[in-house]
Amino acid sequence: AQSVTQLGSHVSVSEGALVLLRCNYSSSVPPYLFWYVQYPNQGLQLLLKYTTGATLVKGINGFEAEFKKSETSFHLTKPSAHMSDAAEYFCAVSDDPLTGGGNKLTFGTGTQLKVEL
Amino acid sequence: GAVVSQHPSRVICKSGTSVKIECRSLDFQATTMFWYRQFPKQSLMLMATSNEGSKATYEQGVEKDKFLINHASLTLSTLTVTSAHPEDSSFYICSALARPSSDEQFFGPGTRLTVL
Repeated sequence: AQSVTQLGSHVSVSEGALVLLRCNYSSSVPPYLFWYVQYPNQGLQLLLKYTTGATLVKGINGFEAEFKKSETSFHLTKPSAHMSDAAEYFCAVSDDPLTGGGNKLTFGTGTQLKVEL
Repeated sequence: GAVVSQHPSRVICKSGTSVKIECRSLDFQATTMFWYRQFPKQSLMLMATSNEGSKATYEQGVEKDKFLINHASLTLSTLTVTSAHPEDSSFYICSALARPSSDEQFFGPGTRLTVL
C-alpha cells in the first residue's frame, strides 16, 4: 500500500521568499512521485514528476523537487515566490511511472499556498 | 495543453434523486478516464477507472450500482450518482489519459455535489 503525507495544510510566504512544501511518502515498491498544482476553478496540472534517474527534478514555473529515498521525502521548492504561485498543491505517489497507466495515483491532502506582498 | 471539462461545476439535489456528471476531453481522445472523489480536508480518492467501450473498474469499497459510469465515446465519460443521499455530498473530479500521444493524466475542474 502507498500513502502520502503533506505537512501543513496551509503555507504562507512573502513574495520573493523561498517556497517549501513538504511531502513524505510510504511505498513498498520503488515509488514514482508527482506534484500537481490546482488553481481556483481549474483542474489539477502536473508540475513535475520523478520516475528514475536524477533525484533533483525541475518542473514548470521555476519549481523543483528532490527525491530523497533515505528520508522518504519529495519536497517541493521554489527559490522566489510570486503572487501567481498562490494555489493548492498536491503530492502524489504511484507504482507506475505513467500517470495513470492502469495503476492509481495516491494523493496527499494538499497544501494551500498563500503569497503575501 | 490538453483540456478536460466537467459539467455541471456544482449541483444541488434532493435526497433520493439521481445526478449525472459529465467529463469531456475537449481537444484529445481519451481511451481511459478516471473518477475521483474528494471530501473536505482530505485527499483525492480514486473511485473508478473508465475505459472506452468497456465496463468501468471500481476501487474497493465503491458501490458500482450507486456510482454508474459510462464511457461511450473517446471524449465523454459520465458518472451518475443514483439515489443520492447527504453522505454522497462531495467534490467529484475526473481525469483523462491522452494515450497513445501522451502518458500524462489531465484533470477536470471538478463538480461540487450537495445533496439536501
